Amino acid sequence: GAVVSQHPSWVICKSGTSVKIECRSLDFQATTMFWYRQFPKQSLMLMATSNEGSKATYEQGVEKDKFLINHASLTLSTLTVTSAHPEDSSFYICSARDLRGSRNEQFFGPGTRLTVL
Amino acid sequence: AQSVSQHNHHVILSEAASLELGCNYSYGGTVNLFWYVQYPGQHLQLLLKYFSGDPLVKGIKGFEAEFIKSKFSFNLRKPSVQWSDTAEYFCAVKSGGSQGNLIFGKGTKLSVKP
Repeated sequence: GAVVSQHPSWVICKSGTSVKIECRSLDFQATTMFWYRQFPKQSLMLMATSNEGSKATYEQGVEKDKFLINHASLTLSTLTVTSAHPEDSSFYICSARDLRGSRNEQFFGPGTRLTVL
Repeated sequence: AQSVSQHNHHVILSEAASLELGCNYSYGGTVNLFWYVQYPGQHLQLLLKYFSGDPLVKGIKGFEAEFIKSKFSFNLRKPSVQWSDTAEYFCAVKSGGSQGNLIFGKGTKLSVKP
């Protein structure tokens, strides 16, 4: 199966700083990447969808200026949490999909645990 | 708006017991249905999926799910669970064809006692 990696897997930062999370599709090209946020005992909530080379589409209630998403290549998307605050502490999961051809499955990364002090 | 409901937050079973995890969705149109599993410390993995055809879908590791359109349900089953099935299970629904987004349920934590 296809592999999606995330880096870092775990990060602690001070309030007010920015944190960048990378998502890579290792053995396929991802035309679309998704960023999810998961709170404890809660569902995965879609934050935004990004297509390679285009601006990300954010879900209602997600601040695009706070959660900057870049999908500059077919194998890399980044999520930058700007001016992080304790309420941004969460588990962030990326997912990648290649809409070309017959592959129509989303593959998930292992997630990044963000703790903002 | 679409939503996905998973009825059980935490299920505890002994090995060899049968498993059924409930999943209901709210959407009147054509949907694709998925069950994902997340083992402790690992990423989400696809267990099985339903797009069309036979409503009884077989997945990996002995899991199966049945799509009952009239009940808007897609329950996950396994006749005999093992300790290694301890994980969190997520039901997900996608509408809008291949471009649609996955909507996840809140997940069910399964603990299997050896």
